[in-house]
Amino acid sequence: LAKTTQPISMDSYEGQEVNITCSHNNIATNDYITWYQQFPSQGPRFIIQGYKTKVTNEVASLFIPADRKSSTLSLPRVSLSDTAVYYCLVKYSGTYKYIFGTGTRLKVLA
Amino acid sequence: GAVVSQHPSRVICKSGTSVKIECRSLDFQATTMFWYRQFPKQSLMLMATSNEGSKATYEQGVEKDKFLINHASLTLSTLTVTSAHPEDSSFYICSASGTGLPYTSTDTQYFGPGTRLTVL
Repeated sequence: LAKTTQPISMDSYEGQEVNITCSHNNIATNDYITWYQQFPSQGPRFIIQGYKTKVTNEVASLFIPADRKSSTLSLPRVSLSDTAVYYCLVKYSGTYKYIFGTGTRLKVLA
Repeated sequence: GAVVSQHPSRVICKSGTSVKIECRSLDFQATTMFWYRQFPKQSLMLMATSNEGSKATYEQGVEKDKFLINHASLTLSTLTVTSAHPEDSSFYICSASGTGLPYTSTDTQYFGPGTRLTVL
């Protein structure tokens, strides 16, 4: 059974680094892991995407271990405006279905 | 780049009526479009996947005669909720993936802003 799980919520203070992990067993071998940010009543916004090891862009880093059974989104120096729900999205092997993670509600405190 | 629009953003209708939601990719060719449904404080649930010019593939438990999906061009997909009832009230979000986008794979999904449907 394909399961994509994330911690339900996290609190952090402004300026801290936040790491959010997504556990995804049995994902498709040749597919990417993608992370999104969602604010209330809005569609998810693309943050970062990776296949293996480490990917970095101007807003985040993504760490993927060799077994690809999990991935970690790293947000450096968060601000109040980073308060949102963060989702991972993966495609599972066999079914080749896209499944969103359960979502992590990040609250950044002043 | 990778802009997806949805219209309308919000709709209120009476029970028994049909509602059409449009999803457009504005600056790329969307070879595949997806429709999701999201209830409050829950994750997104995939309803169906459509490829341009083909019939949509519906997820288990989604009634294809109730949620009609058309993907007639590389920039437009529509979702029609037929004979809507209060239990169909939800946040509907489309996404698109395709060609002509730099730095990401052709499978990367870009999402529209969503449509809030309220059925009275």
